[in-house]
Amino acid sequence: QQQVKQSPQSLIVQKGGISIINCAYENTAFDYFPWYQQFPGKGPALLIAIRPDVSEKKEGRFTISFNKSAKQFSLHIMDSQPGDSATYFCAALYSGGGADGLTFGKGTHLIIQP
Amino acid sequence: DVKVTQSSRYLVKRTGEKVFLECVQDMDHENMFWYRQDPGLGLRLIYFSYDVKMKEKGDIPEGYSVSREKKERFSLILESASTNQTSMYLCASSRYRGQGGQPQHFGDGTRLSIL
Repeated sequence: QQQVKQSPQSLIVQKGGISIINCAYENTAFDYFPWYQQFPGKGPALLIAIRPDVSEKKEGRFTISFNKSAKQFSLHIMDSQPGDSATYFCAALYSGGGADGLTFGKGTHLIIQP
Repeated sequence: DVKVTQSSRYLVKRTGEKVFLECVQDMDHENMFWYRQDPGLGLRLIYFSYDVKMKEKGDIPEGYSVSREKKERFSLILESASTNQTSMYLCASSRYRGQGGQPQHFGDGTRLSIL
């Protein structure tokens, strides 16, 4: 059972454009939704995270939009740069459930073309 | 900055061997995790621990065990390695359990090949 579905699998965006990655979840008990960025040869690094009491969170060029009723959240990268080329993972967690491991989406390989 | 260090970047072992993957974190975090990462499957949780000598099964614990004798160190053990355990293994830590979730900090992974 895939609890977090991520799309697209791969994405090519021109420099300066907007990159959009979408995730949908099934478990309504999830209460923490982070996005991770991973470069080749490195572990994932936390990029930005949101909790379901807000609909949007922005940090620099990165924005999470959260739609609780639709059980969807998305990452927007504004003014995309070649240095943003990486694999992005959405994830979700139910912090009150006793099991603190993240449930990850399958990842999106993002390429920003100069 | 939090540092999560995995002892080996690359490891090659043979089928049937007992394999130990080691992970150390330097920020006095309570929680530690082991994930495996496979192309097209994302990251999947194997085991986690929220205290010394405590362990909990994740989504795919079969064929693995863990050990946490000290707070800073979390070991993943493949009791009898098999070829389907060839993968990238990632260790992570987070500060504590509790409401609202905590950021998990990852090591750079161990790429394990079982021949």
